[in-house]
Amino acid sequence: AQTVTQSQPEMSVQEAETVTLSCTYDTSESNYYLFWYKQPPSRQMILVIRQEAYKQQNATENRFSVNFQKAAKSFSLKISDSQLGDTAMYFCAFMKGNAGNMLTFGGGTRLMVKP
Amino acid sequence: EAQVTQNPRYLITVTGKKLTVTCSQNMNHEYMSWYRQDPGLGLRQIYYSMNVEVTDKGDVPEGYKVSRKEKRNFPLILESPSPNQTSLYFCASSLQYFGVSEQYFGPGTRLTVT
Repeated sequence: AQTVTQSQPEMSVQEAETVTLSCTYDTSESNYYLFWYKQPPSRQMILVIRQEAYKQQNATENRFSVNFQKAAKSFSLKISDSQLGDTAMYFCAFMKGNAGNMLTFGGGTRLMVKP
Repeated sequence: EAQVTQNPRYLITVTGKKLTVTCSQNMNHEYMSWYRQDPGLGLRQIYYSMNVEVTDKGDVPEGYKVSRKEKRNFPLILESPSPNQTSLYFCASSLQYFGVSEQYFGPGTRLTVT
């Protein structure tokens, strides 16, 4: 079974600064995908970024980027130029490749962006 | 608009009173699933469905039932709710079971069982 751990229950950052959210996972699979989801106060789950394990290049989506360290089983999310709208709960998630679309989530990190 | 809808959005009920949370998607997706979200535990899968009439247990299925009689609908049934089922529930759908396709989440249902 896979496990996903987010060791930072809460974080805060000043507007316009950079923040990094940590995520580690444990799996024996070689083919898998990793995701970061954002859950704002509206509770909607929003996909932020996705990383395929077979890709060495770190995924980037505008101000969001990841640091994927496969050997260390680490998948951190960096948010640059933080904005007030980034205030949300962030979940790291794991999915096995070619074995169904079940996501295994970490416990979440609550991020507060301060003006 | 492509979306997953859930009803009700909020529900307060008493122990033992059967309830159903509906989920519907308009994207012709084959795969649908239910998650519950609890503080510190993230989201955990309850049940999933690969297609019509095909369902299977997720990580935390005890106390829940599902059915998939139509492709678009995937209701979650609590036949005898208990306080430990107080949680935030999400329905999700994606194009297919195999392969990786983006999951679309519903808006969530906040359930309180007293």
